[in-house]
Amino acid sequence: EVQLVESGGGLVQPGSSLKLSCVASGFTFSNYGMNWIRQAPKKGLEWIALIYYDSSNKYYADSVKGRFTISRDNSKNTLYLEMNSLRSEDTAMYYCANGGHWGQGVMVTVSS
Amino acid sequence: DIQMTQSPSFLSASVGDRVTINCKASQNINKYLNWYQQKLGEAPKRLIYNTNNLQTGIPSRFSGSGSGTDYTLTISSLQPEDFATYFCLQHNSFPYTFGAGTKLELK
Repeated sequence: EVQLVESGGGLVQPGSSLKLSCVASGFTFSNYGMNWIRQAPKKGLEWIALIYYDSSNKYYADSVKGRFTISRDNSKNTLYLEMNSLRSEDTAMYYCANGGHWGQGVMVTVSS
Repeated sequence: DIQMTQSPSFLSASVGDRVTINCKASQNINKYLNWYQQKLGEAPKRLIYNTNNLQTGIPSRFSGSGSGTDYTLTISSLQPEDFATYFCLQHNSFPYTFGAGTKLELK
């Protein structure tokens, strides 16, 4: 069974940093590109980043480019999202996904 | 960026109804269009990928069609568990973009 389990969320102040993790199981993680997608409270979905299976390419939404970094460790079956210079508008549920499967999400709240 | 215009935003229907949800892209997306279902408090679930491919385990009452800029999700006979919010996603080019969603409610 495919499982994606996110962690690392929480309440942080504007301008601070946070690193999310997503541990994958049930499929060959190193064969798949991976995404981060977020959903602000009561809002729609926003794709924010993708990393190729071998980390050779990374793509970002303009809203996070230069502040967020996607990375992965295939030896640990883990996807990461490092988030810097956080803003109130980054408050959202963050999901990792490989396209067909999504994690349950982790909440990030940016507030003073 | 490719804009995805999803319609309608809200849809009231009854069990057994046939419903369609549409997504229009601002440019050709070459059938790289997925459909997702999201229930309250849950993560989205992929129903259809690349316009018309049914995700494993999804009932056959769900189907997708389209080409170019215009895409449709059809539910042939609504079941009680289908009342949810539906989103389309284009993955033809970066940044990937979602439609704003269609909330399907019980009439």
